[in-house]
Amino acid sequence: DIVMTQSPDSLAVSVGERATINCKSSQSVLDKSNNKNYLAWYQQKAGQPPRLLIYWASTRESGVPDRFSGSGSGTEFTLTISSLQAEDVAVYFCQQYYSTPTFGQGTRLEIK
Amino acid sequence: VQLVQSGAEVKKPGASVIVSCEASGSSFTGYYINWVRQAPGQGLEWIGRINPNSGGTKYAQKFQGRVTMSRDTSITTAYMDIYSLTFDDTAVYYCAREMDASGSLDYWGQGTLVTVSS
Repeated sequence: DIVMTQSPDSLAVSVGERATINCKSSQSVLDKSNNKNYLAWYQQKAGQPPRLLIYWASTRESGVPDRFSGSGSGTEFTLTISSLQAEDVAVYFCQQYYSTPTFGQGTRLEIK
Repeated sequence: VQLVQSGAEVKKPGASVIVSCEASGSSFTGYYINWVRQAPGQGLEWIGRINPNSGGTKYAQKFQGRVTMSRDTSITTAYMDIYSLTFDDTAVYYCAREMDASGSLDYWGQGTLVTVSS
């Protein structure tokens, strides 16, 4: 299985500041036949199911605020929140679906 | 789109449990249903998926032989049956719709807590 490793495990950022979460896969999740990275990002707030934020590494899901963006290719990916809001406090997970799906361990995002 | 799961369960070690997931608001046979679990305070673990149209399944190797996924298209409901439960199976189990067979999961059920306790 592809191992997904996120960093950092936890992060505290001031409201209005940028938050950056990294995700590294143990092997490439880029399909060169269609140039798509099989990588998604989810947000999970306390007591709720995960919510899809980003798919294909950089495509924002409908209804997701544009302060959320995804980037990267191959084995290294980043989720960026350009201007943190209080409601963004959550745990964030990356997931690869290039092969049998696996998730990162999660990054807990808090307000500083 | 809504996925509504069955209620919490408490089971003894060695027992089995069936969790259901009723879908509404979109074509039931048009999207794979995945099952993901989350142990208390832990991350997400993919269990497997079912194609509601064909009934075809794919399971994570860890769960092969210990889980069965099925569906009833007449009531737009998917099921996951896990056998030989151990304490390590205590978790919240989620069903989730797979977007256009891409692998990303765009709609999730509310979760079903399965507690394995003696």
